[in-house]
Amino acid sequence: KAGVTQTPRYLIKTRGQQVTLSCSPISGHRSVSWYQQTPGQGLQFLFEYFSETQRNKGNFPGRFSGRQFSNSRSEMNVSTLELGDSALYLCASSLPEGRNSPLHFGNGTRLTVT
Amino acid sequence: ILNVEQSPQSLHVQEGDSTNFTCSFPSSNFYALHWYRWETAKSPEALFVMTLNGDEKKKGRISATLNTKEGYSYLYIKGSQPEDSATYLCASKIYNQGGKLIFGQGTELSVKP
Repeated sequence: KAGVTQTPRYLIKTRGQQVTLSCSPISGHRSVSWYQQTPGQGLQFLFEYFSETQRNKGNFPGRFSGRQFSNSRSEMNVSTLELGDSALYLCASSLPEGRNSPLHFGNGTRLTVT
Repeated sequence: ILNVEQSPQSLHVQEGDSTNFTCSFPSSNFYALHWYRWETAKSPEALFVMTLNGDEKKKGRISATLNTKEGYSYLYIKGSQPEDSATYLCASKIYNQGGKLIFGQGTELSVKP
């Protein structure tokens, strides 16, 4: 089974621009969640999608948005980029049923905002 | 406010040493506790998902325990090897919050040969 695929791996943008990151989950996984990792902050939850619906959202400004398609692929969009948005963005998929489902992470997209 | 805390922040041990880390989490509305290993240049990999108070899980030389009443979990590594060098993350899942996980800052383990 192919793992979670995130594209692109690296991205350099300038302040004020917008960016779209893509995530393809493991086949059969319908839950996709997004996390931001910055130095000293650990993994911060952005949002989770299940069956094309946002099921949960973290404490991030409205500039951060996402969506999920019928094939469970997900995209994350950040508008009006700020320097502080420079981070590693991780996508994870899981089976949503049951308490014991672990997250399966992609390799991440490293975003640098200059 | 929901906080997951891990200690120590970093640990340097010699090959063959046994070591353990602590994860503390709010015990109210507990649903599940996850442990992940994150090696440099790789993606985080699930070690354990624990849900029951008193649960103990083992995977090779790594084991974990869970106390949901007092809100802590221990991860043990027996006879550390250089390939165990990684950041170990724990994450708490709260009841009725879907798939949202709250991660601790991690414990960075370095094992010297």
